[in-house]
Amino acid sequence: SSEVTQDPAVSVALGQTVKITCQGDSLRMYYASWYQQKPGQAPVLVIYGKNNRPSGIPDRFSGSNSGNTASLTITGAQAEDEADYYCSSRDISGNHHYAFGSGTTVTVL
Amino acid sequence: EVQLVQSGTEVKKPGESLKISCKGSGYTFTNYWIAWVRQMPGRGLEYLGIIYPLDSDTRYGPSFEGQVTISADTSNSTAYLQWSSLRASDTAMYYCARKYSDSYSEAFDIWGHGTMVTVSS
Repeated sequence: SSEVTQDPAVSVALGQTVKITCQGDSLRMYYASWYQQKPGQAPVLVIYGKNNRPSGIPDRFSGSNSGNTASLTITGAQAEDEADYYCSSRDISGNHHYAFGSGTTVTVL
Repeated sequence: EVQLVQSGTEVKKPGESLKISCKGSGYTFTNYWIAWVRQMPGRGLEYLGIIYPLDSDTRYGPSFEGQVTISADTSNSTAYLQWSSLRASDTAMYYCARKYSDSYSEAFDIWGHGTMVTVSS
């Protein structure tokens, strides 16, 4: 199996930009997807593929990829963006195994 | 509306069996893989496994093979996660999620609201 790793926490001033990263060997082969989870709620998909946003996700959320690193950027962070963010990728074996990162807590100051 | 509706909160004793459910609606249930994800209290998301309802092709995460059983019933568009003998360490929120895929990407695009399972003597 393979892992994807994330920094545990990051803070951002209201209206500023924050980048969350996810690293893993599988990211050289597969795009990451990103999920936002607020306390007491189910995760919500915010970014997938090269840089795709599901319907209803604000365009301040964007994704990028380079080598073994995937990134989620929030440009102009809002108070409602305070949440845990998880990346996920297919396992490097490609055998319908998936891994989630340990999550990054984003605090909006 | 595309949605996954999960069964309700469960409180069980160690050693008991349990089967929780995830009913899909608003889309063709047999066309999408359904995954199960565990979240222990205060912890992150863990991938348990996935099933393709059309042919019941099932794959388990390395840590969960033999620990849980995933199944699906296409006649009522429902996926299941079951345990034969619960342990206290199974206490967690369990989510089901639909896997979307196209030629370039894949993601868990629709999530159930979660089923809280508490195992305590």
